[in-house]
Amino acid sequence: DAGVIQSPRHEVTEMGQEVTLRCKPISGHDYLFWYRQTMMRGLELLIYFNNNVPIDDSGMPEDRFSAKMPNASFSTLKIQPSEPRDSAVYFCASSLYRREAFFGQGTRLTVV
Amino acid sequence: SQQGEEDPQALSIQEGENATMNCSYKTSINNLQWYRQNSGRGLVHLILIRSNEREKHSGRLRVTLDTSKKSSSLLITASRAADTASYFCATRPMDTGRRALTFGSGTRLQVQP
Repeated sequence: DAGVIQSPRHEVTEMGQEVTLRCKPISGHDYLFWYRQTMMRGLELLIYFNNNVPIDDSGMPEDRFSAKMPNASFSTLKIQPSEPRDSAVYFCASSLYRREAFFGQGTRLTVV
Repeated sequence: SQQGEEDPQALSIQEGENATMNCSYKTSINNLQWYRQNSGRGLVHLILIRSNEREKHSGRLRVTLDTSKKSSSLLITASRAADTASYFCATRPMDTGRRALTFGSGTRLQVQP
């Protein structure tokens, strides 16, 4: 397995634009997590799915953020409209039940 | 808020020395995990210790867990320059069926060659 795959690796967009981040988890994993990492706030859990169902989205900062997992092999995190304070590295991770999580390489988002 | 908090925030040592990082957490856990992050990269899992375990080894890594104090430590023995990275503890809470991994703020380790 190629591991967790995220795209794009880097995204620069203008304030107000829609941004979509993509994630392909490891095949067979039943948990998928979206995290955001900044210097100020560290690693924050945004939302996680179990068997494609959103379980806890209490970390999603605002209604501008939404996440979907239409099937076991794909998830998206969308920001609409984007703001400069959304600039961060966004990580997707997947795991099997309570075991260790495998992280993607992250998407570095810059909103100007 | 972060479930785990690492201590110290930054640590600088010489190659060959041991590095010890500590983690404290707040709620009951199912397990505690340590991860490593190299600059600009994703996190990589190092070791997992279950709530009923007190100590675990993996190569040059030694992890301890004290559930009564809600704390864990990660010891890296005979450090190498390649160990330079940030290290995070993460917990799987026991309560309310929440299975998400919650990360601490991390310890930045610098190993001088």
